[in-house]
Order: sequence, then structure tokens, then C-alpha cells
Amino acid sequence: DTAVSQTPKYLVTQMGNDKSIKCEQNLGHDTMYWYKQDSKKFLKIMFSYNNKELIINETVPNRFSPKSPDKAHLNLHINSLELGDSAVYFCASSQDSAYNQPQHFGDGTRLSIL
Amino acid sequence: DQQVKQNSPSLSVQEGRISILNCDYTNSMFDYFLWYKKYPAEGPTFLISISSIKDKNEDGRFTVFLNKSAKHLSLHIVPSQPGDSAVYFCAASGGGGADGLTFGKGTHLIIQP
Repeated sequence: DTAVSQTPKYLVTQMGNDKSIKCEQNLGHDTMYWYKQDSKKFLKIMFSYNNKELIINETVPNRFSPKSPDKAHLNLHINSLELGDSAVYFCASSQDSAYNQPQHFGDGTRLSIL
Repeated sequence: DQQVKQNSPSLSVQEGRISILNCDYTNSMFDYFLWYKKYPAEGPTFLISISSIKDKNEDGRFTVFLNKSAKHLSLHIVPSQPGDSAVYFCAASGGGGADGLTFGKGTHLIIQP
């Protein structure tokens, strides 16, 4: 039974389109995150949500917007896709917002912009 | 500016021997450290963590050592098994709140039969 699941696994689209990636966790965790793994393989935090409230937002373009309908879901909407958005996007969750909690990751969504 | 560095992109170890993966950090605010293992086309899987108040944490074949004065941590896997072949990421957090993890670039561990 998958703990953190993301859909779709692969997403190929044209520049300028708008797309969404969905994430769901069944761990009962309070905090969820989005990370981006770029071509240099660095995993970098984009957003986190704690009890439906955005609590951090790194230097991410405002074309990216996280949406959380409930604490088990954190979707990522991307508007006006650009070539540089091509990456693997990982969703993660942790029990709460304390810094010393391990985060559990989904299998990633590979986004390719043509 | 890399705050978490894994200077070895790859490491090859014989099955049954000890694997030692190293990680250095620069941010003195970090006080919780984690190791993740990642297979191709899968997400990182949490392996083991250590708080800055400790210098060692052990879980089965995996042991993490922390040298806070040197800002260095290492992961020891003994004995190494073929299934341990994967990319290992070092990560760190600190400062309170829902801070995201800061990751190193990863070390590809290859266990040779």
C-alpha cells in the first residue's frame, strides 16, 4: 500500500501550457512538501504545507502554486510552462512540522517540456 | 552555494565489505541529519537519521557517525549486500519550523559480487 503517491509518473507537454501534478499521502501526516530535482541532480525544496497552511515558500516563480484540498493531498499547479521547468518533481510528507522528522517521498513525476 | 556536500559521485565496494559514505556541511544551524537511499525511477527512501546531540546512531547494518566540530557525517554499511547498490543522499535540516531538507548531490554506491 503506497504511502506517498504522485500522478502522473511522466508528463510531456509543450512550452506555455498549464499542468498539474497530484500528490496524496495515507500516512496521516500533517506536513507535505514539494521538491524539484534538476538536471544536476540536486533535490531542492519548493513548498511545504502544514495543516493546509503554506509555511515556507522558497525562491520559486509564482507560476508554481501548491493547492491543498485537505491534509492528505498537496497538488502542484504550474502555469505557462518553460523549458527550464523540465525536472523530476517529488512530493514528500512528514508527521508534523518539527525539523527533526524524517520525510517520506513519492516516486516522482518526470516533467519534460518540448 | 552547496551547504551539504558529498564529494564522491561514486563508490565501488565488494560484497561483504564495509561501505563508507561521507558528507560535509557548512551551515552550523543544521542539527538534524538524514541519509536516504534512492533506486532509479523511485523516490528517496529514508534510511537513518541522527540529531546533533549524538555522535552515533545505529540501525542494523547501518550506522551514522556525526562529527559536529568537523561538520562531517558518514554512513557505514556493514556487511555490504548487492541490494545496497543505489544512490545515497545526505540531507540536513535545522532552525525550527517545517524547514525543508537540504540535500547533497548523492553518491552512487556499487556493490561488486
